[in-house]
Amino acid sequence: DADVTQTPRNRITKTGKRIMLECSQTKGHDRMYWYRQDPGLGLRLIYYSFDVKDINKGEISDGYSVSRQAQAKFSLSLESAIPNQTALYFCATSDLMETQYFGPGTRLLVL
Amino acid sequence: GEDVEQSLFLSVREGDSSVINCTYTDSSSTYLYWYKQEPGAGLQLLTYIFSNMDMKQDQRLTVLLNKKDKHLSLRIADTQTGDSAIYFCAESINTGGFKTIFGAGTRLFVKA
Repeated sequence: DADVTQTPRNRITKTGKRIMLECSQTKGHDRMYWYRQDPGLGLRLIYYSFDVKDINKGEISDGYSVSRQAQAKFSLSLESAIPNQTALYFCATSDLMETQYFGPGTRLLVL
Repeated sequence: GEDVEQSLFLSVREGDSSVINCTYTDSSSTYLYWYKQEPGAGLQLLTYIFSNMDMKQDQRLTVLLNKKDKHLSLRIADTQTGDSAIYFCAESINTGGFKTIFGAGTRLFVKA
């Protein structure tokens, strides 16, 4: 079984809709992250959480929110989706050496 | 500021060596990493090097670190078609809490 899982794997939505991307991990790590990947731009950090009570904005948090429901769960919400949020979204966890373990990604298309 | 740069594409012939280069700007990095992303998948850690080392070898992979020039490279010996992927360089830095900065990724094409 995968250590970091993401649901859904693919999603098509319309401008203005609210959507939630979910992430679960079985690695027992406290640290969790949400990134988006765009061609030629690499990975950009949206939000990160170092434990259940700790939530921090990354470099591109505008238009996104997160919820850390438990050590194992970290969800990302787009309150009102817009087309330039079309991207590949990755959840990750990290150990104390900052080695990151990524989920398989969610491909989001906003029409 | 914090930045990690790498070239976007590299093409090699099967059996040749591949060298993927990366430069970074923050001198406070503790670990430097190479991640591999295969099509349709997330990133997976390939190898890492601690910042006080200058070389690490792991089977076909050799990582070289030049701290003076802030340059990291990944050499893949005897490159195979299965090595075709995007390779990301990353560094973890201590800014009062650790943070990882990723490069944009180098897409490696291996020609048979």
